[in-house]
Amino acid sequence: NAGVMQNPRHLVRRRGQEARLRCSPMKGHSHVYWYRQLPEEGLKFMVYLQKENIIDESGMPKERFSAEFPKEGPSILRIQQVVRGDSAAYFCASSPTAESGNTIYFGEGSWLTVV
Amino acid sequence: EDKVVQSPLSLVVHEGDTVTLNCSYEVTNFRSLLWYKQEKKAPTFLFMLTSSGIEKKSGRLSSILDKKELFSILNITATQTGDSAVYLCAVGYTGTASKLTFGTGTRLQVTL
Repeated sequence: NAGVMQNPRHLVRRRGQEARLRCSPMKGHSHVYWYRQLPEEGLKFMVYLQKENIIDESGMPKERFSAEFPKEGPSILRIQQVVRGDSAAYFCASSPTAESGNTIYFGEGSWLTVV
Repeated sequence: EDKVVQSPLSLVVHEGDTVTLNCSYEVTNFRSLLWYKQEKKAPTFLFMLTSSGIEKKSGRLSSILDKKELFSILNITATQTGDSAVYLCAVGYTGTASKLTFGTGTRLQVTL
């Protein structure tokens, strides 16, 4: 799981700013998932992407949050106009296929703090 | 709404003890149950269970799934301080979407 690379590891933003979190999946993996972990809570699914496609965004908040996984480059989770409640750990995970995707491998996470 | 419930929420044991962590679930389109260990960083995959009654083992850790009663247990024998972590249970679904639904975890602390 060390192969899933996330950056930045820690990010501090003031309320109203934008946060961009990046994720490079493991080599050979074309399926990316974003999860959010609020303090003292479990991981919550946000979005599942393949290259250039959003497959399932049922866990994404309706406003301010967006995700992409372009043909070239990392997947990006973008949070506009951040609020204090966005402070959380954001984990990216990847898998080689959707079927094997039930066994997904996580990155080290990006810790967002909104001040 | 799908639910994954873990118990206990937290546990403190002495090194050498054996612990059993519980995970029950109520979901539609169940495919698999997964256990992860989370120290202060990425969740680390432990086991994936898809069939009832077949124990999976890895060193001092073992896990089993009961699809009739909708629960799984994770056993850790001869605990060590390095086992201190949050243990997460998650359920995977059939179909093309591969999201997992996680429980809130069991925080295990192993003391000397």
